[in-house]
Amino acid sequence: DAGITQSPRHKVTETGTPVTLRCHQTENHRYMYWYRQDPGHGLRLIHYSYGVKDTDKGEVSDGYSVSRSKTEDFLLTLESATSSQTSVYFCATSIQGGDEQYFGPGTRLTVT
Amino acid sequence: QKEVEQDPGPLSVPEGAIVSLNCTYSNSAFQYFMWYRQYSRKGPELLMYTYSSGNKEDGRFTAQVDKSSKYISLFIRDSQPSDSATYLCAMSEDNDMRFGAGTRLTVKP
Repeated sequence: DAGITQSPRHKVTETGTPVTLRCHQTENHRYMYWYRQDPGHGLRLIHYSYGVKDTDKGEVSDGYSVSRSKTEDFLLTLESATSSQTSVYFCATSIQGGDEQYFGPGTRLTVT
Repeated sequence: QKEVEQDPGPLSVPEGAIVSLNCTYSNSAFQYFMWYRQYSRKGPELLMYTYSSGNKEDGRFTAQVDKSSKYISLFIRDSQPSDSATYLCAMSEDNDMRFGAGTRLTVKP
């Protein structure tokens, strides 16, 4: 267990509202990732970070932004939530890019 | 065509059976190959991590990678009810990691 926590664990929000999910790690891993998991699609990368203030887009980044002001925290923001963003969101960390990744417990987000 | 193909199952086997899980992929640049296990409503946990072609064994689990065929496998020997979970294959090149959709496995006592 890489000491990864996510908050909140569950959230229900309305279409059009902003939402921020937080990932916190205690392992001092350089890389952090945000994924979404949907039936039939598996895990898809939204954004990742390779250091403080260093981020890049993943496969499904539209509608999402991220920030990393400290090594241990990686925030995912939905500026204006849509029903298509209803999903389970997982944070992950790794020591280096390409290394095995360690996952948090997930956040279940429902957008009504 | 998806970049990583994985049979979603479900797969149901009796306790003690040998289980074979497989993935195929299309991107020949993938260098690192992983298998994750995910219990219901939990995050994925790493089972096996391999680099390039060959076999890797860890207890009851064996991972095989055949880069020439773009095919990876996970074998579970003497399967147990506690192995019931969804198994995800994953592969990466640097920061680009792609996952299969997962195979749901049930091991019946």
